[in-house]
Amino acid sequence: DAGVIQSPRHEVTEMGQEVTLRCKPISGHDYLFWYRQTMMRGLELLIYFNNNVPIDDSGMPEDRFSAKMPNASFSTLKIQPSEPRDSAVYFCASRDYYGYTFGSGTRLTVV
Amino acid sequence: QKEVEQNSGPLSVPEGAIASLNCTYSDRGSQSFFWYRQYSGKSPELIMSIYSNGDKEDGRFTAQLNKASQYVSLLIRDSQPSDSATYLCAVNDNYGQNFVFGPGTRLSVLP
Repeated sequence: DAGVIQSPRHEVTEMGQEVTLRCKPISGHDYLFWYRQTMMRGLELLIYFNNNVPIDDSGMPEDRFSAKMPNASFSTLKIQPSEPRDSAVYFCASRDYYGYTFGSGTRLTVV
Repeated sequence: QKEVEQNSGPLSVPEGAIASLNCTYSDRGSQSFFWYRQYSGKSPELIMSIYSNGDKEDGRFTAQLNKASQYVSLLIRDSQPSDSATYLCAVNDNYGQNFVFGPGTRLSVLP
């Protein structure tokens, strides 16, 4: 298995632009998580899905953030409009009973 | 509010010594406990899981769990410079769906 695949690896965008991050979970994993990591706040859970259904989005910072999982093999995290304080590494993870497997992350820089 | 706490470090140990990393958690109903290692610029990777009170050994790593005291620890024997990383403690919440991550402890093994 190729693991959790995220794209793009790096994204630099201007303030106000829309940003879309993509994730392909491991086949057979029925949970998918989006995390954001910064030096100041560590690893923060944004939202997670079970069987493609959003279960808890209480970590989504504000309405500018949205996430979808149209099928078991694909999820997106969208930020519109983006702001400099959104700069962080965004991780997608999928899990089975034994634990999480993280993707390589997307390093987002909003200038 | 479920919390997982770790000493942020940095924890510095000489090569060959035992590194001891500690984690406490607030949710007494937590069932599963995990240690992740994160190298700088990389994604977290699972190194140990523990579910029952006591010790669990895997190579140079030993996880220790004490549910009564609500703490879990990770011992790294014969520490190597390649062990230098941030170690994240993760606790499965009472419903078994979400993992709550601690802020991580940065370990530096000095040659």
